[in-house]
Amino acid sequence: GAVVSQHPSRVICKSGTSVKIECRSLDFQATTMFWYRQFPKQSLMLMATSNEGSKATYEQGVEKDKFLINHASLTLSTLTVTSAHPEDSSFYICSAREAGYEQYFGPGTRLTVT
Amino acid sequence: QKEVEQNSGPLSVPEGAIASLNCTYSDRVSQSFFWYRQYSGKSPELIMSIYSNGDKEDGRFTAQLNKASQYVSLLIRDSQPSDSATYLCAVNMGSYNTDKLIFGTGTRLQVFP
Repeated sequence: GAVVSQHPSRVICKSGTSVKIECRSLDFQATTMFWYRQFPKQSLMLMATSNEGSKATYEQGVEKDKFLINHASLTLSTLTVTSAHPEDSSFYICSAREAGYEQYFGPGTRLTVT
Repeated sequence: QKEVEQNSGPLSVPEGAIASLNCTYSDRVSQSFFWYRQYSGKSPELIMSIYSNGDKEDGRFTAQLNKASQYVSLLIRDSQPSDSATYLCAVNMGSYNTDKLIFGTGTRLQVFP
């Protein structure tokens, strides 16, 4: 149980374009989903928390107009990186929580902006 | 003071030994504590959660929690080379009344044959 998927696993895009990443909870309904970013050899950085049907809560320093989050259902959240730049290249990981505080992570999406 | 602190390591142990990973946290009212394992290039995997003082065992893993000392640890018995990874301690900061977890920077464990 507690399986979370992400798509795509890898994406390469040109600077200035937008990229959408999907996060799905496959065998449970996720009341809350989280989006993290991780740079090489660094720890996870929480970007935002999203609850189904409501606006995401962004962490300080994360541009909400650049990183658009939509939590459309209890099993799907999407992160869109708009007007991507090379400095947005990173490992993006989502996690989902059903009840309690245990978070289950998706496999991550490696974004490279050229 | 960092909210969740871990020694970055690397912690090197021989195969078959006990690996001891430690974590301290700053918020006295934290209630939920987690250990995640992260292999290089992969996402974190939940291996243990603990909510009450004392020990919790699951196979070769034992989590230990001491709320008075604001300390949580993970013991790995009979360490295997496949246990080589970064171990992340995560804490739900209760006084913030929030869903989110605060992660430590992780301890890199190396188990050598």
